[in-house]
Amino acid sequence: AQSVTQLDSQVPVFEEAPVELRCNYSSSVSVYLFWYVQYPNQGLQLLLKYLSGSTLVKGINGFEAEFNKSQTSFHLRKPSVHISDTAEYFCALYSGAGSYQLTFGKGTKLSVIP
Amino acid sequence: SQTIHQWPATLVQPVGSPLSLECTVEGTSNPNLYWYRQAAGRGLQLLFYSVGIGQISSEVPQNLSASRPQDRQFILSSKKLLLSDSGFYLCACTTGSGANVLTFGAGSRLTVL
Repeated sequence: AQSVTQLDSQVPVFEEAPVELRCNYSSSVSVYLFWYVQYPNQGLQLLLKYLSGSTLVKGINGFEAEFNKSQTSFHLRKPSVHISDTAEYFCALYSGAGSYQLTFGKGTKLSVIP
Repeated sequence: SQTIHQWPATLVQPVGSPLSLECTVEGTSNPNLYWYRQAAGRGLQLLFYSVGIGQISSEVPQNLSASRPQDRQFILSSKKLLLSDSGFYLCACTTGSGANVLTFGAGSRLTVL
């Protein structure tokens, strides 16, 4: 069985400060990893994904994430946040192997303080 | 790329009333379709998924049902709503290319009173 743990349910950060949203996963097989963003009262939008290759993945809106297989982590980072980054962020895992579904973490609410 | 339409966007229903939420997909064919529920503080819960017309898999036993009458239409229903059915319902799809990347609709917010 696989699981995704987002270690922080809420992260407040001042505007223009850096931010890291943490995600750890557990799986017995190779995985694909994703970060999604959800703005208030909207659906989820893909930020970035790791399928294979370079462990540093760049996404939209200046976000990036690093896949660390030894630490089973996929933390999301941005060097300087804006007010518009205020949203909920979800880490997700797909293990393939005949599965049709993603496993999501419980989400991290990022609040950017002016 | 595909687009997902969901309606209604918001819905307030009394306990015991029926429910029908609709989802249609544009821009692709033969998608895998999903219904998720998002309740406060509980993340995303997969309710149903479908790999084809009339093929529905249920992930969680509950008061809800799903149907796929057409290739790009997915309907979430209930005969009698419970208070615990309140939440934000999201329809999503994946396609044959990039089969593991979900595209989400804008969601339907259901409040059961």
